[in-house]
Amino acid sequence: QVQLQESGPGLVKPSGTLSLTCAVSGGSISNSNWWPWVRQPPGKGLEWIGEIYHDGRTNYNPSLKSRVTISVDKSKNQFSLKLNSVTAADTAIYYCATLGAASYWGQGTLVTVSS
Amino acid sequence: QAVVTQEPSLTVSPGGTVTLTCGSSTGAVTSGHYPYWFQQKPGQAPRTLIYDTNNKHSWTPARFSGSLLGGKAALTLSGAQPDDEAEYYCLLSYSGPGVFGGGTRLTVL
Repeated sequence: QVQLQESGPGLVKPSGTLSLTCAVSGGSISNSNWWPWVRQPPGKGLEWIGEIYHDGRTNYNPSLKSRVTISVDKSKNQFSLKLNSVTAADTAIYYCATLGAASYWGQGTLVTVSS
Repeated sequence: QAVVTQEPSLTVSPGGTVTLTCGSSTGAVTSGHYPYWFQQKPGQAPRTLIYDTNNKHSWTPARFSGSLLGGKAALTLSGAQPDDEAEYYCLLSYSGPGVFGGGTRLTVL
C-alpha cells in the first residue's frame, strides 16, 4: 500500500517561503497518477493548491499560481511544494495526496506563518 | 475561478438515506469534471470515497454511491450509520486545476 509523508518546517516567517516535501513509499511516483497538494486552514475547508505528474507537468490553483511551485524528484520518489511570500492566511494543515484508482493521503503537517 | 457549491449541513436518521450534491458555477457538472467525494472526520486526514463520478475504492462502504443528478454530482448514503457522521467534500476538475466544494457537515441523528 502506498504511503505518503509530508515533511518540512512547522513555522515560517511572514514574507518567507514555505517548503514541504512528500515522500512516497510502497509505490512509484512514476505511475500514472497525478500528485496534488491540498491545504486546510484551521477550522475551515479544503483548498486545492496544485498537482504534478511524474513527467513534470503541473496544474496550479489560479489564485495561488504566482506564488506556487511544485516539483518532482523521481530518483528520491518524492515531490515538493514551495509557496513564497507567505502571510498569516497561509497558515494551514498541508496535505500531499495521490488521487485516482489509487488514492492515498498523507497525514498532513501544520505550517504556521508567524514572526 | 469556478465556485463549487455543497449543502453546508444535512441531517439523516440512522438507517436513513441522504443525498449530498455538488454544483458548479460554470454550469452542469459532467463526467468530464471527474467528480471526487471525500470524507473527513475531526483530527483526521481526508479519505477518498468516490472517484471519477461513481467509482469506489476497496475501503468505500457499499452504502455510499456516486452519480450525476440534475446537473450536479451526487453522493448518496443509503442506510446511514453513526460512524458516517463527518464532513464531506467534493472536488471537481476544470481541465486541470481542481476546485473543492465548501463541504457538507453530515449529522446522523
